[in-house]
Amino acid sequence: QKEVEQNSGPLSVPEGAIASLNCTYSDRVSQSFFWYRQYSGKSPELIMSIYSNGDKEDGRFTAQLNKASQYVSLLIRDSQPSDSATYLCAVNSNTGNQFYFGTGTSLTVIP
Amino acid sequence: DVKVTQSSRYLVKRTGEKVFLECVQDMDHENMFWYRQDPGLGLRLIYFSYDVKMKEKGDIPEGYSVSREKKERFSLILESASTNQTSMYLCASSLLFRSYEQYFGPGTRLTVT
Repeated sequence: QKEVEQNSGPLSVPEGAIASLNCTYSDRVSQSFFWYRQYSGKSPELIMSIYSNGDKEDGRFTAQLNKASQYVSLLIRDSQPSDSATYLCAVNSNTGNQFYFGTGTSLTVIP
Repeated sequence: DVKVTQSSRYLVKRTGEKVFLECVQDMDHENMFWYRQDPGLGLRLIYFSYDVKMKEKGDIPEGYSVSREKKERFSLILESASTNQTSMYLCASSLLFRSYEQYFGPGTRLTVT
């Protein structure tokens, strides 16, 4: 079983809509959760982190964590064409320095 | 501004060649990482290092070795390149206790023919 699973998409939303990206993880004791954005041909960049159950908002981005369901999501409000990218979910392992990336969800925002 | 650089953006090597991929960071980060990224498989950790001359195997270390002689530089070595090592290789660095906050280099697309 993969440590981190994401729907590969592609996910298409119209400009101005809410994009919802989902991620599940298998290690119950994982503590830290992250979202990276990767534009085509570029390297990943960290956009959000969340450590406790509930929501965390940063501008148009909201990360949601439910540890009981082993589920983390990323909502992008007022989606813009510049949000078109692959979004990678990452989970910190319980052993320390390693963490695991999902395979990513491709998002296209249609003008 | 945070900066991680990699020696080449594109590299073409022949089967059996020894290949060196270099990564340099200017942020005084303790941790450095090497990943490969393949379609459908995502990012997979090859090796990481948390200090000079220290290294830890990741998920897929077979066929690779690493060297960290200086804090700012982390090298990935393919001892005898094979076609199944054709991939995008990404280097990253982070502070020691913030391993989740990784800064990535631009990547090296390696093709082994």
